[in-house]
Amino acid sequence: EAGVTQSPTHLIKTRGQQATLRCSPISGHTSVYWYQQALGLGLQFLLWYDEGEERNRGNFPPRFSGRQFPNYSSELNVNALELEDSALYLCASSPGERSTDTQYFGPGTRLTVL
Amino acid sequence: AQTVTQSQPEMSVQEAETVTLSCTYDTSESDYYLFWYKQPPSRQMILVIRQEAYKQQNATENRFSVNFQKAAKSFSLKISDSQLGDAAMYFCAYEEGATNKLIFGTGTLLAVQP
Repeated sequence: EAGVTQSPTHLIKTRGQQATLRCSPISGHTSVYWYQQALGLGLQFLLWYDEGEERNRGNFPPRFSGRQFPNYSSELNVNALELEDSALYLCASSPGERSTDTQYFGPGTRLTVL
Repeated sequence: AQTVTQSQPEMSVQEAETVTLSCTYDTSESDYYLFWYKQPPSRQMILVIRQEAYKQQNATENRFSVNFQKAAKSFSLKISDSQLGDAAMYFCAYEEGATNKLIFGTGTLLAVQP
């Protein structure tokens, strides 16, 4: 069974540009989560999508947004990139919206903002 | 707000020996889930073990076991018969029931000496 996949592996952008990161969950999983892992800040929760709807959002500005498609894959968009957005972005999926479900992670997208 | 603390930034263990990684957390909830994730240099976050707070029995997965002390809000990970492949960053995480978000500790970097 394929795990969570993310693309691209690496992404280099300049300040002010927009970045789009993609995630495909494990087959059968309907919930997708996004986390940011920045140096010195640890792992921070960004967004949670389930059945195409945003269910929860972390303490991030509105220029971080996303969506979930009918096939449950997800995109994370970061507008007006700032230097401090440089981080590893991890996507996770779980079977459903229950808090009892374990989240399984993808390999991440390394975003570098110059 | 819930917090997770890992007080050991780095640990080292000899191959075949046993090591214990510490984790404490703070919460006012009575029912919740705790996790240990492993992140090797490849960056992929891998689930090691999961504990449900309402279960008194400590979770075990092969060479990995936890010592869950609910009253003390302590959740340590014991790795027996350490192997070179166990070398990684280990994160303790608490799942917030109402929001499904994982709250991570700052991690413990484990080195395994041959």
